[in-house]
Amino acid sequence: DQQVKQNSPSLSVQEGRISILNCDYTNSMFDYFLWYKKYPAEGPTFLISISSIKDKNEDGRFTVFLNKSAKHLSLHIVPSQPGDSAVYFCAASFQGAQKLVFGQGTRLTINP
Amino acid sequence: DTGVSQDPRHKITKRGQNVTFRCDPISEHNRLYWYRQTLGQGPEFLTYFQNEAQLEKSRLLSDRFSAERPKGSFSTLEIQRTEQGDSAMYLCASSLALAGIREFFGPGTRLTVL
Repeated sequence: DQQVKQNSPSLSVQEGRISILNCDYTNSMFDYFLWYKKYPAEGPTFLISISSIKDKNEDGRFTVFLNKSAKHLSLHIVPSQPGDSAVYFCAASFQGAQKLVFGQGTRLTINP
Repeated sequence: DTGVSQDPRHKITKRGQNVTFRCDPISEHNRLYWYRQTLGQGPEFLTYFQNEAQLEKSRLLSDRFSAERPKGSFSTLEIQRTEQGDSAMYLCASSLALAGIREFFGPGTRLTVL
C-alpha cells in the first residue's frame, strides 16, 4: 500500500530552467508534507515543508505547492543548478504520527 | 559537525550471522528513528524512540530485529540470523519533539548479506 507516490523515477532538466517534481498521496489524514534531497553515500537532507493549511511555501529557489483536493504536491526549483542533481523524496505525516511516509524518489539530473 | 552519525557505514556479513548498528543522534534531540531503504525505494519506517522509550514499531520489524536506546542518547539496532532480504541501507534520524516532525538523517549503514 503505497500511500505516497512519486511516479517519475527520473527527470532531466537543462541548467537554468525550471525543475518540477511531483508527488501524489492517498491518505487524506496527511497534514504535513516535506521534501528531502539525497546525494549518493549521504542521508536525506531536509529541503522544504508545507502544512496542509497552506497551498504554497517558498524558500529561495525552492517552492512547494499543495493541492489538497487532488492530493497532489509539487516541488519547483528555479533556476535549476548542477548542484541540484540528486534524488528527491516526498514525505508525509499527520498529527499524532511520529514518523514519515516516503515516496519512492525521483532522480533529478541537471544538464549543463 | 554535530549531525547524526552512524557506525559502521558499511557491513558485509554472511547469512545467519548477527549484526549490530549504532546511531548517535543530535545531542539535544529526544526522538530517534530507524528507517530501512532498499534500492529504488524511499526510506521505510521501522521504529522510533522518545527518550529511552520505544513508542512504535512497524510490522516490518520482525522478531529478528531489536532496537534499544538505553539512556535516551545513542541507539543500537540488532539483526539476528541475518537473511539476504535484510540487505538494505539502514538510516537513523533524530528530531526534537517540540520542533515538529522535521527529521535529521544520518549517512546510513549499508548492510550486505551474502
